[in-house]
Amino acid sequence: DAMVIQNPRYQVTQFGKPVTLSCSQTLNHNVMYWYQQKSSQAPKLLFHYYDKDFNNEADTPDNFQSRRPNTSFCFLDIRSPGLGDAAMYLCALAGGGDQETQYFGPGTRLLVL
Amino acid sequence: AQSVTQPDIHITVSEGASLELRCNYSYGATPYLFWYVQSPGQGLQLLLKYFSGDTLVQGIKGFEAEFKRSQSSFNLRKPSVHWSDAAEYFCAVGNNAGNMLTFGGGTRLMVKP
Repeated sequence: DAMVIQNPRYQVTQFGKPVTLSCSQTLNHNVMYWYQQKSSQAPKLLFHYYDKDFNNEADTPDNFQSRRPNTSFCFLDIRSPGLGDAAMYLCALAGGGDQETQYFGPGTRLLVL
Repeated sequence: AQSVTQPDIHITVSEGASLELRCNYSYGATPYLFWYVQSPGQGLQLLLKYFSGDTLVQGIKGFEAEFKRSQSSFNLRKPSVHWSDAAEYFCAVGNNAGNMLTFGGGTRLMVKP
């Protein structure tokens, strides 16, 4: 069974139209991460939650926001997507007896028209 | 600051041949080291990790990696490559204080029949 579930797998939005990406987990892990990965590049951390504590990377644009209403779910909101925000968005989690290892979801591919 | 270098952007090997992917890291303390594999359009799958102990670690899919502190390296190896191993491979170092990962730039593996 999948540990990290990302919906949708593909998302098409229009320039400037808000979009929300979803991540859920079945493991009750306390740490959740959002990464942005552009073509042929390594994943870039946007922010992470340690339980409900939100940690934003210094260079994450204000256009990107996140919510974690409970342990199982985490959302990435892009308030006004630009063409440069087209990318794969990866959710990852860590916790249980192994806080140091991150397990990734399948990703959501975002296309901005 | 920690950093990871994967010197080879692309590698092509013949099916059945052996494989070694290079990874060099920079980190002040004993690092947590990881190898992930990413197939096109997919998330990252953990192949193996090193935290401490035996410097030769075994992973999934027949992969192994060796930690060499003197060379600051954590190279990934497989004795016989299969066509299904064609993918992008990422080496990462984690800081053991806050489970943040720093990724290398990735190595794209192509497998010739």
